[in-house]
Amino acid sequence: AQSVTQLDSHVSVSEGTPVLLRCNYSSSYSPSLFWYVQHPNKGLQLLLKYTSAATLVKGINGFEAEFKKSETSFHLTKPSAHMSVAAEYFCVVISHSGGYNKLIFGAGTRLAVHP
Amino acid sequence: GAVVSQHPSWVICKSGTSVKIECRSLDFQATTMFWYRQFPKQSLMLMATSNEGSKATYEQGVEKDKFLINHASLTLSTLTVTSAHPEDSSFYICSANQKGPTPLNTEAFFGQGTRLTVV
Repeated sequence: AQSVTQLDSHVSVSEGTPVLLRCNYSSSYSPSLFWYVQHPNKGLQLLLKYTSAATLVKGINGFEAEFKKSETSFHLTKPSAHMSVAAEYFCVVISHSGGYNKLIFGAGTRLAVHP
Repeated sequence: GAVVSQHPSWVICKSGTSVKIECRSLDFQATTMFWYRQFPKQSLMLMATSNEGSKATYEQGVEKDKFLINHASLTLSTLTVTSAHPEDSSFYICSANQKGPTPLNTEAFFGQGTRLTVV
């Protein structure tokens, strides 16, 4: 079965410093992995996705994630935090189950950015 | 990217009444849509998979008579919370998959969510 584990429920950084949100996955086959962001009381926006092409994936708003098979990780990074990126972030894996592509969500990481 | 529109964005209803939430794919056809529930400060929990023209597939523990799903067309799925109670208060989100060249390229697009409060 496919699953993802987000290692930190809360991350707090200073504005202008790097962001690292950690995600480990478990999959019985080559996974499709995603990072989504959710602002309060809003839907989800796709930041980036990995689908077995390049291992370093670039997304919107300066976010990147690197797929590391040896570490079963797909950590999300951003070189410099801005107040606007404070939100909830979800690491997601696709599960091909019952003929459907279901999204399996991690527990989420709440990112706080302080001045 | 593709757009999924969810309506209403928020609703307050009295205990015992029913509430319908709509999910529309605006610029693509979605044979499959998904309904999620999100409790405060928690992750999204898949409730059911909505299939156009057939019965929805519910996840374990989700009451199908409580959460009625209808997927009458390729662009519309509805979730009806029947006889709502305060414990049904939650944030409900739908998504629709836009298929790519292969299953691995399938991408999910999410509605804006509906905040349901039952009083």
